[in-house]
Amino acid sequence: DIVMTQSPLSLPVIPGEPASISCRSSQSLLHSNGYNYLDWYLQKPGQSPQLLMYVASIRAPGVPDRISGSGSGTDFTLKISRVEAEDVGVYYCMQALQTPLTFGGGTKVEIK
Amino acid sequence: QVQLVESGGGVVQSGRSLRLSCAASGFTFSSYGMHWVRQAPGKGLEWVASISHDESSKYYVDSVKGRFTISRDNSKNTLYLQMNSLRAEDTAVYYCAKDRRAAVSDLDHWGQGTQVTVSS
Repeated sequence: DIVMTQSPLSLPVIPGEPASISCRSSQSLLHSNGYNYLDWYLQKPGQSPQLLMYVASIRAPGVPDRISGSGSGTDFTLKISRVEAEDVGVYYCMQALQTPLTFGGGTKVEIK
Repeated sequence: QVQLVESGGGVVQSGRSLRLSCAASGFTFSSYGMHWVRQAPGKGLEWVASISHDESSKYYVDSVKGRFTISRDNSKNTLYLQMNSLRAEDTAVYYCAKDRRAAVSDLDHWGQGTQVTVSS
């Protein structure tokens, strides 16, 4: 199974400042088609998770462009250029390359 | 708009069975893969099972293999999870999720979840 490791565990942020979350996989997520099968999800307080990014860098519909994803192989990053209050919650990365699909442990983003 | 509504959760004794349902609307159900994902109290997300659009492929996490069965009825736009021999560690909120494609990839819409509590 592919193990997903996120850091940090907790991320206090100041509104208007940037934020960054790291995700590493135990195996490369690069498919032969050239895509990295890495997703990012956000679970806001009291809500179901929602898809933010897929194949590492494509935003899901409705996701603002201040949120971006990058990386390839085994190292990935989610960046928020200017944090807003609506960005609080737990962020999860997930590999979609093979089953079992596996999630990272989550990064809790909260306003400082 | 896409809607996924889970039902069938509840409190059940260890060793008993439960069947979860997920009613889908707002998209062509038969064209997309579907998933079950669970979240134990205070914990992170755990993928449980997936099924391809035409039910030809099914996948499970090791901890539920032989106990849980994922299925779908494309004529009723409904996804199911039959859970047998339930254990305390199966206690969680169970989410139904739609895949972005026909098979197994990204989970682009999620339901509100249904609570399953297994008592010993």
